[in-house]
Amino acid sequence: AQKVTQAQTEISVVEKEDVTLDCVYETRDTTYYLFWYKQPPSGELVFLIRRNSFDEQNEISGRYSWNFQKSTSSFNFTITASQVVDSAVYFCARGGFQKLVFGTGTRLLVSP
Amino acid sequence: DTEVTQTPKHLVMGMTNKKSLKCEQHMGHRAMYWYKQKAKKPPELMFVYSYEKLSINESVPSRFSPECPNSSLLNLHLHALQPEDSALYLCASSQEGVSIYFGEGSWLTVV
Repeated sequence: AQKVTQAQTEISVVEKEDVTLDCVYETRDTTYYLFWYKQPPSGELVFLIRRNSFDEQNEISGRYSWNFQKSTSSFNFTITASQVVDSAVYFCARGGFQKLVFGTGTRLLVSP
Repeated sequence: DTEVTQTPKHLVMGMTNKKSLKCEQHMGHRAMYWYKQKAKKPPELMFVYSYEKLSINESVPSRFSPECPNSSLLNLHLHALQPEDSALYLCASSQEGVSIYFGEGSWLTVV
């Protein structure tokens, strides 16, 4: 199976610290998509970003940034100056058409 | 706020009950999905409807019966469930089949 691995099960930081969530994926496809979702305790999966396999440009959105490196099959997510509201489970996923393969998730706890 | 709306938010049902989960989206998306998520696990795909036709069934037991009355609505009919079916059920939709947007989920407890 083509897996998505999030090796960090849980990360605890103090507010204002920077934190990076790792994601490593496997794929035999030449065209694919990578995603990050945030799941707060309420349950909703919030779409954060989509990257396609042809676009290795890093992306920044406010305090969030993403580092896509095809050579190492990694798509890491950094939160700068973390806040308590960032506490959630974050899922990395690889997608094709209509199917998402999720990683096991990383629980981020940000304390005041 | 999510544009995929799920009801009810919480449901408790007995093993002999028949109930339904409902999902609605008004983004004009033509694909809709049901995912199941157990505690501390990632979501798992159950069904995909594309243009109101069932396109993917991930070998889900027949006690779960999906229905897509129109392009905006997706139901999941539940009958004779087991306690191990207790989970968060997530509905989602997509336009091009790639970017998938989820609702807030329905928390189901089977007693």
